[in-house]
Order: sequence, then C-alpha cells, then structure tokens
Amino acid sequence: ETGVTQSPTHLIKTRGQQVTLRCSSQSGHNTVSWYQQALGQGPQFIFQYYREEENGRGNFPPRFSGLQFPNYSSELNVNALELDDSALYLCASRRGQSYEQYFGPGTRLTVT
Amino acid sequence: GESVGLHLPTLSVQEGDNSIINCAYSNSASDYFIWYKQESGKGPQFIIDIRSNMDKRQGQRVTVLLNKTVKHLSLQIAATQPGDSAVYFCAENTHQNSGYSTLTFGKGTMLLVSP
Repeated sequence: ETGVTQSPTHLIKTRGQQVTLRCSSQSGHNTVSWYQQALGQGPQFIFQYYREEENGRGNFPPRFSGLQFPNYSSELNVNALELDDSALYLCASRRGQSYEQYFGPGTRLTVT
Repeated sequence: GESVGLHLPTLSVQEGDNSIINCAYSNSASDYFIWYKQESGKGPQFIIDIRSNMDKRQGQRVTVLLNKTVKHLSLQIAATQPGDSAVYFCAENTHQNSGYSTLTFGKGTMLLVSP
C-alpha cells in the first residue's frame, strides 16, 4: 500500500450536479496531484497543489477546482457534471518536487 | 473491480516467458521515466524508474531500457507470472516553465499471463 487514501470509492451523480472527492496524502508529502483516467486510457493530469496553493494545471476547464488543507489532504471539486466526466479520479502525493509519486486507489465517478 | 484495459493493446504470454512492453514518449526534455502497473480497481503502482542520463536500469525481474534517440522506453519482465497480469503504463516527468513538474502517461498495454 502507498499510504495514500481516497474517498469515496465509488460515486454516482446526475448530469449538472456537483461532486467533491477527497484525498489523504502519505505522511510528510506536501504536494498532491489529481489525475482523471477515462476507461481504457492513461491518467491525465488535472492540477497540482503544493503547500495549499495550486501551482500547476492541465488542460481542464475551471469547473474542475481543488483545495489543499494545512495537513496536506486535498479535495477535487467538479461543478456542472457532464457525462464525459465519468472516470476514475486518482490522486498522487510526493514530497516537494521529488520524482516519486504515490497513487491512491482512486474514486470511480459515474455521471448519468 | 472495473476494467482499465478496454481498447488497449494486449500482450499475451505464457507463464515463465519473458515479456517486453514498449512505449514511445513525446517530450525530448523529459528527465525521468517511470513504469507503473495497474490492476483492475486499483491505482497505478510504481514498478521501476530511470533517469534520462541512463539507458538501462535493472530491478527484481524487471529491466527498463531507455533510447533517447528515438524516444522509446521498454519494460522487460523476466519469468512472467500470472500475478503480473495487469495494465502497464509508462510515464514521463516533464518540468513546466512555472517550475512544477508533471507526469504524462502513455496509452498503456494490457499484459495477460496464462498458466
């Protein structure tokens, strides 16, 4: 196990709704990245938080937003859900900009 | 758990065979490369990594080869076991102008090992 936990494991939402996903990083890891993995695809970078600030963002619209808390846990929020948002959402933690990232088990989001 | 392997290239081998999984990466400025294993219903699990100043690195039963000339990575698994069945992704680490670094993943290959 990586020490990175995510909740919930599975979630079903309706188009137009909002969702919040949570990630608890490995102890001592102050950088958290979020990825979206569509079925049959590799993970795609959404954004990254370092010491409670977003310091990097991939090609995702503003309705994807996040937070990082003083204990370095993190949230991913998605507003106005679309069917194409159905995916496995992964978070990964690391210390600073160290190379090794440790992934959580993911949250499977289904939008109907 | 759900499948992460739909529509992926598939490599089928017999138990005990050696497996080779290939990956093309996109950014010549990438300085670090990782192979991940992803089993159904789980997050990616680190297997082995290599920095851009190396061309080969060996682990336990696994070897990664890096060819920067053609931007190609390969993962070799010796004596493949049924427990190796999973989807394998390569990822490249690239530094962005604003100072942070990101992982860019390849499309993945499903490895199926039959007893």
